[in-house]
Amino acid sequence: QSVLTQPPSVSAAPGQKVTISCSGSSSNIEHNYVSWYQQLPGTAPKLLIYENNKRPSGIPDRFSGSKSGPSATLGITGLQTGDEADYYCGTWDSSLNTPVFGGGTKLTVL
Amino acid sequence: QVQLQESGPGLVKPSETLSLTCTVSGGFISTYYWTWIRQPPGKGLELIAYIRYSGSTNYNPSLKSRVTISVDTSKNQFSLKLNSVTAADTAIYYCARRIASTDAFDIWGQGTMVTVSS
Repeated sequence: QSVLTQPPSVSAAPGQKVTISCSGSSSNIEHNYVSWYQQLPGTAPKLLIYENNKRPSGIPDRFSGSKSGPSATLGITGLQTGDEADYYCGTWDSSLNTPVFGGGTKLTVL
Repeated sequence: QVQLQESGPGLVKPSETLSLTCTVSGGFISTYYWTWIRQPPGKGLELIAYIRYSGSTNYNPSLKSRVTISVDTSKNQFSLKLNSVTAADTAIYYCARRIASTDAFDIWGQGTMVTVSS
């Protein structure tokens, strides 16, 4: 059971937009930065979003992040088949005193 | 460009100790925090522990009693030891760099699969 809750799966058609939610609490998301990771099949996770809504160099602006209270959202526009991957949210948990991750969401581009 | 590479046995017997090393290339291990994260087959990510070059550490409470993380700045390496392993410790083990100010893991190794089996 992950500390952060994500939907197991989402799907959308190519070119469409999709959002992935990450639900936490006052001990984690609400008062700490959220990051998002993309894990393509058979590869290591890759940092997609940090500090809630910032993109590392090389990450296209089709990917966006937002946070409101104890929840965060990853948005992906102009979906491509290459976006099919597992997506994880992460943050610091002040009660556990350690970083925590969501359970992951599998994105299918139909 | 900083790169991370995990190394260690791919098969460990139950009750024995899992030992892995992560080599940091293209940069110095000083500054930043260096982390071990694992992913059981078909499951999500779990932080194991992280260490700073100075030696300060942080452990996942659920694994703390079995884990030791250490750093060797002279070799630009950091290591993980997980003792008394069981089949539940079978996973891909990743080393990663953590940026403390943002709590993000910005660089990851390719991962190494470790199977616990007799």
